Formats: sequence, structure tokens, C-alpha cells
Amino acid sequence: DTEVTQTPKHLVMGMTNKKSLKCEQHMGHRAMYWYKQKAKKPPELMFVYSYEKLSINESVPSRFSPECPNSSLLNLHLHALQPEDSALYLCASSQGLFPGELFFGEGSRLTVL
Amino acid sequence: AQSVAQPEDQVNVAEGNPLTVKCTYSVSGNPYLFWYVQYPNRGLQFLLKYITGDNLVKGSYGFEAEFNKSQTSFHLKKPSALVSDSALYFCAVIGKAAGNKLTFGGGTRVLVKP
Repeated sequence: DTEVTQTPKHLVMGMTNKKSLKCEQHMGHRAMYWYKQKAKKPPELMFVYSYEKLSINESVPSRFSPECPNSSLLNLHLHALQPEDSALYLCASSQGLFPGELFFGEGSRLTVL
Repeated sequence: AQSVAQPEDQVNVAEGNPLTVKCTYSVSGNPYLFWYVQYPNRGLQFLLKYITGDNLVKGSYGFEAEFNKSQTSFHLKKPSALVSDSALYFCAVIGKAAGNKLTFGGGTRVLVKP
């Protein structure tokens, strides 16, 4: 199994809603990542977890809250988002903290109304 | 700071012709270089990487890339393009001075016409 699975594929939420994005991998990878991607732009790193501990937070606003319940799961909790947060959110994993060969999920497309 | 430049927003090529997507980088120390491809409404897929060794790297789907240290380039090539190669291509670099974080270039859209 070489997949990174993200749910939901699409999410529409209002600015006062609370929602979560979920990511799962069963490749035994110990590093997991959240990226944000705007249309026709490169992915921007948001968070990195290594061995279930947050190792990188790229100064992301607190309305985005990551969680890594175990080595296979990664969540991104969303609260009080702004319309400009609308984007494709990509989860990725890698064998270790040498991230080059990332395995990406297909993303969750978020629309904030 | 490390950076990656992809000078072409779009590359158009006829099916069967050679395809080249350009990438130049700036990094302290030895670079680790990667190419990813993204099909519409999909995540990124790893194509190939250069870590050390042979400057010509072969990857998935018939793609290859040549590392040129003097020109700080890592151009992606395919001898004969297919319509199905139409996608968005990202070059990326890691330099150890940047804490092993991957930096992506701006992306190049490839359109292969039948």
C-alpha cells in the first residue's frame, strides 16, 4: 500500500464553522506534512510532524491547528477561517525527516464562504 | 536562503517531440534536487531525484534530468513527449542550511499537443 488518503475531497465551510481535514498513510512513514496550495502555485509548507511530534510550524495562523494522533494519522483542525484560506490542502508523508521523496495525497479542496 | 527558479510558465510541445522543462537553483552547500508532477485536481507525484553520483538521473514515465553544478541547473527531459504528459511540473531543492525543508519552484505547465 503506497497511498496517502485524504478526506474529505471537498469541503465548504462558513467562517464560523469548525471542521477537520484527515490524512492517513500505512507506509510506515515517520514524517507527515501539511501543505497549502493555491491555484497554479507551488505548495507552501504549513506543518511537519516527525515521530508524531510537531517539528516545523511555518508561522501558520492559529485558526489552523494540526494534530497527529498516531504515526499513521494526521489531522488539520479548522476554525474561524477566512475566504482567503480557500485552497487545496495537501497531506504528504516521507520515510524520515529527509523529506525529498514525499508521497502526497490527492488533497482536500477547501472553500470558505 | 535556498530558492528554485523555473523560468517558463508554460511549455508547448508536439507529441513525439523532445520535452525539456528548465530549473535552476540556489542553495548553500550540496543540493538535493527533485522533480514532481501534478495532474489536474490531483496531488503531486514524485518523478526523480538527484542526491549524489551520476549527473544524469532517470525517473518515472521515461523522464530524466541532468544535474549541472557549474550552471546550477537540473533540467527535466523526455525524448518523446506524450499527450498524457500534459501537467504541471515542479522542481524542488533541499539544502541542509535550510533545515532540510523542501523548496518548490513556481511550476511549469506542460501542454503536449497531438
